[in-house]
Amino acid sequence: EVQLVESGGVVVQPGGSLRLSCAASGFTFDDYAMHWVRQAPGKGLEWVSLISWDGGSTYYADSVKGRFTISRDNSKNSLYLQMNSLRAEDTALYYCAGQNMVRGASWFDPWGQGTLVTVSS
Amino acid sequence: QSALTQPASVSGSPGQSITISCTGTSSDVGGYNYVSWYQQHPGKAPKLMIYEVSNRPSGVSNRFSGSKSGNTASLTISGLQAEDEADYYCSSYTSSSTLGVFGGGTKLTVL
Repeated sequence: EVQLVESGGVVVQPGGSLRLSCAASGFTFDDYAMHWVRQAPGKGLEWVSLISWDGGSTYYADSVKGRFTISRDNSKNSLYLQMNSLRAEDTALYYCAGQNMVRGASWFDPWGQGTLVTVSS
Repeated sequence: QSALTQPASVSGSPGQSITISCTGTSSDVGGYNYVSWYQQHPGKAPKLMIYEVSNRPSGVSNRFSGSKSGNTASLTISGLQAEDEADYYCSSYTSSSTLGVFGGGTKLTVL
């Protein structure tokens, strides 16, 4: 079964740091570029970051550039998001999602169930 | 980054057809056949419904179809069913510095 499982979401104070993880199973992880997408409570989807299949290229939304770092460990089939200098507006459900580069995909599939990050004092 | 523009809500009765629009620019929707659509039920993760404008993944009902004209993509759901009630998001590749962009989402209500 194809599966992505996020973890690491907690309540953190403004200015704090957090590391999210996403564990992949049921598919060939290094065939996929990986993304983080977030959804603030009651709001729409916002793309956050992308990492290439080999970790050699990374990209960020302007809203998180310089504060968040995406990384992956293909030996562990895992994706990470290091989040620093957190702000209240970073409060959201964070999803990891895959993009199949072998198929030349331009779409997000599969998706995890999300992990909730709350930034509050 | 500016999101793609979708109507906030649409509604229809069971059995009817509805269309959700997704308007972008020549730098995203209009410039590439890389539009995808996602269905999200409350408390659930998004689910891919359409990719590359009009292709359906295996397992997605043929009641769902996609199209594009100029800078506007559309998702059509025919033979509406109660289970179709959900939020729908479009997404497109973009040539801007933002590599991924989503629409603001459309809430579909089945009356």
